[in-house]
Amino acid sequence: NAGVTQTPKFQVLKTGQSMTLQCAQDMNHEYMSWYRQDPGMGLRLIHYSVGAGITDQGEVPNGYNVSRSTTEDFPLRLLSAAPSQTSVYFCASTRDGANTEAFFGQGTRLTVV
Amino acid sequence: AQSVTQLDSQVPVFEEAPVELRCNYSSSVSVYLFWYVQYPNQGLQLLLKYLSGSTLVKGINGFEAEFNKSQTSFHLRKPSVHISDTAEYFCAVIPSGSARQLTFGSGTQLTVLP
Repeated sequence: NAGVTQTPKFQVLKTGQSMTLQCAQDMNHEYMSWYRQDPGMGLRLIHYSVGAGITDQGEVPNGYNVSRSTTEDFPLRLLSAAPSQTSVYFCASTRDGANTEAFFGQGTRLTVV
Repeated sequence: AQSVTQLDSQVPVFEEAPVELRCNYSSSVSVYLFWYVQYPNQGLQLLLKYLSGSTLVKGINGFEAEFNKSQTSFHLRKPSVHISDTAEYFCAVIPSGSARQLTFGSGTQLTVLP
């Protein structure tokens, strides 16, 4: 029973490089989301999905792309990394609706130099 | 849109003392309210939530929170803290009955001192 699994745990990128942060959940949850955590700012929503094939933008979507081809996976793509994207990224999943608990992965610490 | 304000960024407290972590929110619609805890180098986990009904909700690890609609607050309390409660605590809201995602406060670092 893995819950929400994020890979990698740590990553260093050079400015302009691209990469994909992986997120997988084994709980058959419909809702998945990506947040970034920066000191003093809490968690801010990047993108989210309410089911396979359906995605929407959150509060800070610029510079990131997502897709949801299966219920289990929700990768986050950085097309051209910038130092401002240095952050800790969390993936979360929720069974359904607004009133259920969100389960979080362990996070990916990304540094862009 | 919703917003969440956590009034204290750092709260140091001695072991076995009581603690209150403050949270205020703003929303034009009714919301559900949550408290999450993040231990060092880990993801977030749910402490407790308020959906409806009794305004006093109890969560895991002896924490409780009280919803006050008139003051738009959802303060978290524990009568006696332990060293193991040292963590960052996040208040969050979501519009009730919506597909939108959580809006978080900026977090409060609780440090329990021996």
